[in-house]
Amino acid sequence: GQQVMQIPQYQHVQEGEDFTTYCNSSTTLSNIQWYKQRPGGHPVFLIQLVKSGEVKKQKRLTFQFGEAKKNSSLHITATQTTDVGTYFCAGPLRDKLIFGAGTRLAVHP
Amino acid sequence: DVKVTQSSRYLVKRTGEKVFLECVQDMDHENMFWYRQDPGLGLRLIYFSYDVKMKEKGDIPEGYSVSREKKERFSLILESASTNQTSMYLCASSFLRAYNEQFFGPGTRLTVL
Repeated sequence: GQQVMQIPQYQHVQEGEDFTTYCNSSTTLSNIQWYKQRPGGHPVFLIQLVKSGEVKKQKRLTFQFGEAKKNSSLHITATQTTDVGTYFCAGPLRDKLIFGAGTRLAVHP
Repeated sequence: DVKVTQSSRYLVKRTGEKVFLECVQDMDHENMFWYRQDPGLGLRLIYFSYDVKMKEKGDIPEGYSVSREKKERFSLILESASTNQTSMYLCASSFLRAYNEQFFGPGTRLTVL
């Protein structure tokens, strides 16, 4: 079964609102990766977090890795229509990269 | 820039046909992966390869096989296509196995009638 759980499955926001997606693993991860897939596109790597409690920012995107290295979050401040897409987290488990099911973000102008 | 290319963007096949999906990467990565993507299920690993002539089963290998004769090329084979193999197939490559970023190809949307 799925070992990396991601919620919510879908989120619809008004442009300018904030958005957060959460990722949880049943086991401790050595790192967590985040990818974005635009509609009709392929997943594109955004960032990797390695350290316990790590926080990284990319403009309006803030990524966190939990203290126990079992959970992570991606927060987007003041969403824009360009943020539309599906956001996936992924973590290495037993030498394979396991992806969450993704959170699909829709932004209403 | 890493480039991963896949042989077709769209493919339509009939039940029982043998299907070849080709993937080529140009960054000399040793690690290559095949995923299928279905709504609500995310990306599921079919097969992966960490070296030429090497292959390992992923989470859903049933009904598929792979070939890695050259470092840059990783092929996914459906020996006898079935309708439940209708899906988006994504190839990826990476430098450090599962431990750093994967670069994805554009995907092949396969429809089996």
